[in-house]
Amino acid sequence: DAGVIQSPRHEVTEMGQEVTLRCKPISGHDYLFWYRQTMMRGLELLIYFNNNVPIDDSGMPEDRFSAKMPNASFSTLKIQPSEPRDSAVYFCASSPPPGQGASYEQYFGPGTRLTVT
Amino acid sequence: AQSVTQPDIHITVSEGASLELRCNYSYGATPYLFWYVQSPGQGLQLLLKYFSGDTLVQGIKGFEAEFKRSQSSFNLRKPSVHWSDAAEYFCAVGPPGYQKVTFGIGTKLQVIP
Repeated sequence: DAGVIQSPRHEVTEMGQEVTLRCKPISGHDYLFWYRQTMMRGLELLIYFNNNVPIDDSGMPEDRFSAKMPNASFSTLKIQPSEPRDSAVYFCASSPPPGQGASYEQYFGPGTRLTVT
Repeated sequence: AQSVTQPDIHITVSEGASLELRCNYSYGATPYLFWYVQSPGQGLQLLLKYFSGDTLVQGIKGFEAEFKRSQSSFNLRKPSVHWSDAAEYFCAVGPPGYQKVTFGIGTKLQVIP
């Protein structure tokens, strides 16, 4: 398996622009997580899905952030409009269903480094 | 809600020396506990996990961790550090049976020759 795939790896955009980050989880994993990592706040969970349904979005900073999972193999995190304080590394992770040997283990993608100028 | 503390932000050890990274958690019962490692420019990778049973768990890359209920700790150890172990290490805690975990702030490990 190719692991969790994220695109783009780097994104530089101007304040006010819309940004869309993409994630393809590992096949067979039914949990998908979006995290944000910054020096100041560390690794924060933004939202997670189970079987394409959002379970907990309490970490989403504000209405400018939205996430979707239209099918089991694709998810997006959108920021509209973007602001300089959104600059961070955004990680997607996936996890297999409970009952499997790797249950509750999260497999991380390489991340998308977002810079908003 | 659970919380996790990694008291050491930065640790420097000599290659070949032993290593212990500290992790303390706050939770009403025995949580699920994890250690992850992040190399520069990469995502996190699971080193080991503890759910129940034997309190000493073995992980990948020669790491081990010991769960101590009385101290609410889950410290990560390695007997002899290699230069390739230089990375950032994250402890994570979650309620049993739930996928959502809370990550610590991380400990950055520097290995000197």
